[in-house]
Amino acid sequence: GQNIDQPTEMTATEGAIVQINCTYQTSGFNGLFWYQQHAGEAPTFLSYNVLDGLEEKGRFSSFLSRSKGYSYLLLKELQMKDSASYLCAIMDSNYQLIWGAGTKLIIKP
Amino acid sequence: SAVISQKPSRDICQRGTSLTIQCQVDSQVTMMFWYRQQPGQSLTLIATANQGSEATYESGFVIDKFPISRPNLTFSTLTVSNMSPEDSSIYLCSALWREGNEQFFGPGTRLTVL
Repeated sequence: GQNIDQPTEMTATEGAIVQINCTYQTSGFNGLFWYQQHAGEAPTFLSYNVLDGLEEKGRFSSFLSRSKGYSYLLLKELQMKDSASYLCAIMDSNYQLIWGAGTKLIIKP
Repeated sequence: SAVISQKPSRDICQRGTSLTIQCQVDSQVTMMFWYRQQPGQSLTLIATANQGSEATYESGFVIDKFPISRPNLTFSTLTVSNMSPEDSSIYLCSALWREGNEQFFGPGTRLTVL
């Protein structure tokens, strides 16, 4: 079967660093996506990993280990506007996205 | 990143009526998808919109209820037919550029059925 797990909710402090983990089991793998979604808005593309390793993009970094079925999204220098849901998604062999339930990130001053 | 537009952005409809949502992309894309997102939940794929042929529907979704058209590479429509309050949701159009494996979303259509 296909399964994607990520924590339901996390809390962090403004200015700090937070790591959101995602583990997966899928029948096909064509890459892993991270999206940010603010309440009431459409998801916004953050990152795409298809090879093992770390991809850095400003304050956000995403890591992938295909052998372990594991990824994380790292957010540095947290800002209040980073409060949102973060969605992990796997692209299967048919180029369709399989979605995790999302992690709600709460940033406190 | 590509620009994806949807209209209407929101609508309030009566039970038993139908609503057609339009999705326009500003460049030719490989694939287009339609998703539904219930409040507080993750996205659920309704179907893949295929250019010039019938859409490919996911389990639980049928063409009679959610007819989809995609006449060309940049435009698609989703119709929510014979609506009931359970159809109240956000409907999202998404487009995939296979060359870069980038998938972006439109702003969504917030539908409320009374």
